[in-house]
Amino acid sequence: GQQVMQIPQYQHVQEGEDFTTYCNSSTTLSNIQWYKQRPGGHPVFLIQLVKSGEVKKQKRLTFQFGEAKKNSSLHITATQTTDVGTYFCGMEYGNKLVFGAGTILRVKS
Amino acid sequence: EAGVTQFPSHSVIEKGQTVTLRCDPISGHDNLYWYRRVMGKEIKFLLHFVKESKQDESGMPNNRFLAERTGGTYSTLKVQPAELEDSGVYFCASSQALGQPQHFGDGTRLSIL
Repeated sequence: GQQVMQIPQYQHVQEGEDFTTYCNSSTTLSNIQWYKQRPGGHPVFLIQLVKSGEVKKQKRLTFQFGEAKKNSSLHITATQTTDVGTYFCGMEYGNKLVFGAGTILRVKS
Repeated sequence: EAGVTQFPSHSVIEKGQTVTLRCDPISGHDNLYWYRRVMGKEIKFLLHFVKESKQDESGMPNNRFLAERTGGTYSTLKVQPAELEDSGVYFCASSQALGQPQHFGDGTRLSIL
């Protein structure tokens, strides 16, 4: 079956430090989606990447899709306390999303 | 535009009982998905409807789980009889079309005692 590896599982950073989470797939993807789940909340869609090598930015967040369309990363520059939560990548296989295990981000102020 | 709504938000039942979860997708979204997140683990796909048809139910754990979407609007997920390992948060999501972003509901937190 499809396998999605997301690392790290957990990261605790000082406010102002950067943060990166990575996802890798065992197979080539049609697209990848990123979601954020605040503690006690539900996953909220952040962005979708479709093209090989694509880079998209949302303020302090930078999303990249690998050239081979098998991996992706989310980078947050100068984290803030509002960034806390769990970040999931969702890889589309056919008609379903297969999620990574998520990276829990904690930010110390 | 109303988002995806799920009911109930929490349910606590005893092992062996039956529970039915409901999901109302965003109006006009033909695609409806059920997912489950067990404590500390990844969000796992359960099944996918397009309108009233089940497109993929490969993630359903076993035959104690029954999902329906009569009329292609809201969906229900019934667990009968519930077992301890069924505890977790059940999320419903909907999308306009395949490949489009999925919008999640707040989830139903199910606890089996």
